[in-house]
Amino acid sequence: EAQVTQNPRYLITVTGKKLTVTCSQNMNHEYMSWYRQDPGLGLRQIYYSMNVEVTDKGDVPEGYKVSRKEKRNFPLILESPSPNQTSLYFCASRPGKFSGNTIYFGEGSWLTVV
Amino acid sequence: AQKVTQAQTEISVVEKEDVTLDCVYETRDTTYYLFWYKQPPSGELVFLIRRNSFDEQNEISGRYSWNFQKSTSSFNFTITASQVVDSAVYFCALSENYGQNFVFGPGTRLSVLP
Repeated sequence: EAQVTQNPRYLITVTGKKLTVTCSQNMNHEYMSWYRQDPGLGLRQIYYSMNVEVTDKGDVPEGYKVSRKEKRNFPLILESPSPNQTSLYFCASRPGKFSGNTIYFGEGSWLTVV
Repeated sequence: AQKVTQAQTEISVVEKEDVTLDCVYETRDTTYYLFWYKQPPSGELVFLIRRNSFDEQNEISGRYSWNFQKSTSSFNFTITASQVVDSAVYFCALSENYGQNFVFGPGTRLSVLP
C-alpha cells in the first residue's frame, strides 16, 4: 500500500530535549516536505526536499532541521524544542518535480512541548 | 506571492442542507493548481480534488461539486444534502507552476448536525 509513515504519532516532551520525528514514504517520490498545522493558520511549510541531499527552507524553518540521506526518508529534527513548537506536524511527498502533482500526507504527529 | 483565503472559519448546518465553502486565491502565475483536502476529526488529510488553471469546467463527484472561476480567483466547494460524516475541517490549497510550496488556506470547520 502506498503511504507516508510518520513516527511517533503522539509525543509529549520537555523543553530543550532533542527529538526526531521520522518520515518514510514507499512511493519512490522525489519531493518530500514537512508542515505544521496550527489553529487559524492552516498548514505552513517548514522544510522541503527536491531529492536526496537537496533541502530548502519553507515558510517557518526556525527551530527545525531536516536531512535527506535516502530518497525514502525525511526526518524532522527539533534540536531544542520549545513550547511554541507544540503543534500537529505532517510529512508529505509527491512524485517528480512537477508542482501540480498531488501531495500525499502522512497521518500526522501530535507534538506537545511542556 | 501566493495566498489562499478561506473567509469562513466555521459553518454549522443541519443534515441534508446544502453548504458552500469559499476559497479565494492569489497568484501571479498563469499556470497553477488548486486543491481541496478534508481533515476529519481523526486528523488525517484526505485529498478531494485537483484542478489546473486551464480547466475551468465545474466538476461534480457524487454530493460534492466544485466551481472554479478565474475571473474572481475563486475555487468554491459545495456539498449537497450534507451528512454528519461530512463534519470536518476543509482546506483549500494552491501550488504555483514553478513553486515548491504548497500553500494552504486557514481551513473551514464544517459541522453537520443531525
